[in-house]
Amino acid sequence: GIQVEQSPPDLILQEGANSTLRCNFSDSVNNLQWFHQNPWGQLINLFYIPSGTKQNGRLSATTVATERYSLLYISSSQTTDSGVYFCAVRSGGSYIPTFGRGTSLIVHP
Amino acid sequence: GAVVSQHPSRVICKSGTSVKIECRSLDFQATTMFWYRQFPKQSLMLMATSNEGSKATYEQGVEKDKFLINHASLTLSTLTVTSAHPEDSSFYICSAHRRQGGTNEKLFFGSGTQLSVL
Repeated sequence: GIQVEQSPPDLILQEGANSTLRCNFSDSVNNLQWFHQNPWGQLINLFYIPSGTKQNGRLSATTVATERYSLLYISSSQTTDSGVYFCAVRSGGSYIPTFGRGTSLIVHP
Repeated sequence: GAVVSQHPSRVICKSGTSVKIECRSLDFQATTMFWYRQFPKQSLMLMATSNEGSKATYEQGVEKDKFLINHASLTLSTLTVTSAHPEDSSFYICSAHRRQGGTNEKLFFGSGTQLSVL
């Protein structure tokens, strides 16, 4: 099956810093989503982005499908950005998503 | 945005009891729901795929008789952990698949259930 790798596995930032999270995948995809899991465990959908670029406030994402990667940008990070960021992809005719192992982000005040 | 409600958020039970977790799509019809298990500091592990009106499809290594899944309507799926034991303690999350036409299909997640078996 498709492999999904996220990097870095852990990230510690000072409030106000910018960061880039990466998601590499081993095959072509027709669906890709970025999620944020907050410290209470809830998963929040950030972007549905199988290709192209989207922005939502301080967050933006870019997926280059031909090169099999997606990037999540966090600008002017805040302590509330702390948590784990997951990338999930679907490929071929499968509707079952494959998750990466996540990037754990801690933002210090 | 679409809302998926999952209850309870936390449950503590004695070993040997059964626990039911509900997952509801509040403002859309979910023909497919997924059930995941997550251990601390790990990714989500798919347990089973639940399709409305049919039997669930379980992933390899997941005991069907242990984790009973029912998807009786387009808005409700339930996961019952039968005869729970301490090793079943984990964070369980459901997600619902909303079809928006074509290949534009998004996943929406419940808020999770922390199960602790004493």
